[in-house]
Amino acid sequence: SAVISQKPSRDICQRGTSLTIQCQVDSQVTMMFWYRQQPGQSLTLIATANQGSEATYESGFVIDKFPISRPNLTFSTLTVSNMSPEDSSIYLCSAGLAGGQDEQFFGPGTRLTVL
Amino acid sequence: GDSVTQMEGPVTLSEEAFLTINCTYTATGYPSLFWYVQYPGEGLQLLLKATKADDKGSNKGFEATYRKETTSFHLEKGSVQVSDSAVYFCALREGNNRLAFGKGNQVVVIP
Repeated sequence: SAVISQKPSRDICQRGTSLTIQCQVDSQVTMMFWYRQQPGQSLTLIATANQGSEATYESGFVIDKFPISRPNLTFSTLTVSNMSPEDSSIYLCSAGLAGGQDEQFFGPGTRLTVL
Repeated sequence: GDSVTQMEGPVTLSEEAFLTINCTYTATGYPSLFWYVQYPGEGLQLLLKATKADDKGSNKGFEATYRKETTSFHLEKGSVQVSDSAVYFCALREGNNRLAFGKGNQVVVIP
């Protein structure tokens, strides 16, 4: 298994600003992902964070709005840029090993409120 | 693409009642299937999983069987407790290792 921590756990931000969320895994993992969970909704995958290369974004999400870094096998960041109230959500990091048998482990999430 | 459908609406039931949450999926291949649980104020936790047809995942009294013929993975528990109150998400793992989630069901267990 893997233990995942995220910082910050929550934040309240002003419109137009940016916030960077950090995700740390306690072991080396192959896969890291970023999800968004809007109030009362399910989880939507934003992107796959690739170590040493650009992230792979899902339809509807772009690098300019959600730049992602993954400098090594245990750490990733997600930035929410030029925020608007519609970005208010919980952002979750997950990690796992490649292969069909293994589950993904999730961080506790970052609760973002944009005023 | 692959997708997961969960039954609509929250589920409210009394302690010791039988719980069923329906989950069906659409997939081109043979995905792994998962149930995740999110307790109030906490992150997502894996509850159980099944990786091939007819597998039964179980944990904490919860069970789900991978039914390929009906493309289903329904979650069941014979006697719920107040502490089972949470949101339950069904998910499948696609070939590219991404997870597709259902909308989730809030379960409220009344003493």
